[in-house]
Amino acid sequence: EVQLLESGGGLAQPGGSLRLTCTVSGFALGSYAMTWVRQAPGKGLEWVSGISADVTTTNYADSVRGRFTISRDNSKNTVSLEMNSLRVEDTAVYFCVRGRLWFDPWGQGTLVVVSS
Amino acid sequence: QSALTQPASVSGSPGQSITISCTGTSSDIGGNDLVSWYQQRPGEVPKLIIFQVTRRPSGVSRRFSGSKSGSTASLTISGLQFEDEADYYCNSFSGGSTLVLFGGGTRLTVL
Repeated sequence: EVQLLESGGGLAQPGGSLRLTCTVSGFALGSYAMTWVRQAPGKGLEWVSGISADVTTTNYADSVRGRFTISRDNSKNTVSLEMNSLRVEDTAVYFCVRGRLWFDPWGQGTLVVVSS
Repeated sequence: QSALTQPASVSGSPGQSITISCTGTSSDIGGNDLVSWYQQRPGEVPKLIIFQVTRRPSGVSRRFSGSKSGSTASLTISGLQFEDEADYYCNSFSGGSTLVLFGGGTRLTVL
């Protein structure tokens, strides 16, 4: 069974940092691009960042470029999102998803709250 | 880049058909066949129901179908069922600095 499990969410202060990790199982991570998508409370979906299967290409939404860094370790079956200079508007559930342009399946998500 | 434009809500009765539109520009929807649709029921994570404009993943009901004309993509749900009540999101590859755009979401109510 394909599974994606996010961890690392929590409460951070504005300007602070958090690192999210997605641990996958049930498929060969090295064969797939991976993506982070977020959903603010009561709001819609927002694409955040993606990374190619071979790690050579990373992409970021304008809203997070320069503050967030996506990475992956295929040997450990993990994908990470390092989030720095956090803002109140980064508050959301962050989903780890398989794929580059369409996303299937989705993890359960991890909640990030940025507040003083 | 702006999000893709979807109606905020649509409604229908059991057995009817409804269509949800997703409007973009020539730089995104109008420039490729990489539109996908997701269903998010209350309290659940999103689920892929259409990809590459018209293709259905294995296990997704044939009642869901996708199409595209110019810069507008559409999701049609036929034979509405109460279980179809959910939020629906479109997304598309974008030629801009943001690789992927999502629509704002459409809430489907089955009356």
